Amino acid sequence: KAGVTQTPRYLIKTRGQQVTLSCSPISGHRSVSWYQQTPGQGLQFLFEYFSETQRNKGNFPGRFSGRQFSNSRSEMNVSTLELGDSALYLCASSLAPGGNYGYTFGSGTRLTVV
Amino acid sequence: EDQVTQSPEALRLQEGESSSLNCSYTVSGLRGLFWYRQDPGKGPEFLFTLYSAGEEKEKERLKATLTKKESFLHITAPKPEDSATYLCAVQASYNNNDMRFGAGTRLTVKP
Repeated sequence: KAGVTQTPRYLIKTRGQQVTLSCSPISGHRSVSWYQQTPGQGLQFLFEYFSETQRNKGNFPGRFSGRQFSNSRSEMNVSTLELGDSALYLCASSLAPGGNYGYTFGSGTRLTVV
Repeated sequence: EDQVTQSPEALRLQEGESSSLNCSYTVSGLRGLFWYRQDPGKGPEFLFTLYSAGEEKEKERLKATLTKKESFLHITAPKPEDSATYLCAVQASYNNNDMRFGAGTRLTVKP
């Protein structure tokens, strides 16, 4: 059974650019959540999608956005990149919204903004 | 505001030396408390969910317990392969979709 697939694994971008990250959840999982992980702040919730609808959004600026497609694959976009956006971005899929039965995380996309 | 505090930040054990990790939380109405393990360069791996005080869950050398204010992850006779960062997260009943994570405990088990 394939796990959660995130692409690309590594990205280097320049300040002011934008970036799109992709996540393919486990087959049958319709809920996809995104987290940002940094050494200083730990894991912070970005947003969750279920059946192509955003169900909840964390406390991040509007530069962070996402969407989910009909096949449950999800993308997140960060516009006008800042140095502080450098982080590991993790996607988590679950059967039910909210990860009540536990998330399955991908290996993440390591974003470096220079 | 919901808070999750894990201690210690780092723990070094000898192989076979049992110990416990702590997760203290304040949340208005606990829906669930979760434990994850994270290896370097990988995403967290789900271990346990606990829902009510007094509940216990076990998996191999790991045992998680829950009280009204904290959870413990007990590691019995650890092996080097148990070395990882262990993360605790809580989910409030009023906010089903926001899982708040602690900063984690980095465990190193030396042979």
